[in-house]
Amino acid sequence: QITLEESGPTLVKPTETLTLTCTFSGISLSTSGVGAAWIRQPPGKALEWLTLIYWNEDKRYTPSLKTRLTIVRDTSKNQVVLTMTNMDPVDTATYYCAHLKHFTRAFDVWGQGTLVTVSS
Amino acid sequence: SYVVTQPPSVSVAPGQTARITCGGNHIGTKSVHWYRQEPGQAPVLVIFNDSDRPSGIPERFSGSNSGNTATLTISRVEAGDEADYYCQVWDVDSDRAVFGGGTQLTVL
Repeated sequence: QITLEESGPTLVKPTETLTLTCTFSGISLSTSGVGAAWIRQPPGKALEWLTLIYWNEDKRYTPSLKTRLTIVRDTSKNQVVLTMTNMDPVDTATYYCAHLKHFTRAFDVWGQGTLVTVSS
Repeated sequence: SYVVTQPPSVSVAPGQTARITCGGNHIGTKSVHWYRQEPGQAPVLVIFNDSDRPSGIPERFSGSNSGNTATLTISRVEAGDEADYYCQVWDVDSDRAVFGGGTQLTVL
């Protein structure tokens, strides 16, 4: 059984850099075919996909935020780390990490999400 | 960039059939995935690759995809089916996942 758990700050100030960690259990991030994504959801709004990293470290970013996002994996800790620079109040959202279902582009396991508020 | 469109809300009486649509240009050529999200909870995958159900999802949930519209169908709707439902595709041109705006299902 795959489980994911997000961790990181709940409050960041404008212009600061956000760093979120997703810890995977039940599957190794270095296993062929594994993918891990970050998806966010502003309060009362729709889901927005941010980025994805594959087992081979291939990465994808949403074009509108590409210059602000970085995704990396730490296989020794079985974690995926999201960094988002220059945070703004409009980035206030619940941030989810999700597992990419093998051989599909669907997200079959999600973390519980972490609400990040951007405010001075 | 690719856009998928969902109706903001759908209402249905208990025991009836709910149909939630997801529109996009030639969406029938893409694989569509559907998620259910209850308030304060993480999304749950209910349909992948247009019409496949993950284990544990009731047979009442089904999906179809053709032309410019994909549809999530929920048969014999129950009060517990009330939730927001999102469709998602992968846009090959921009190489990114795209979510619809979500549909709130209300059971009357």
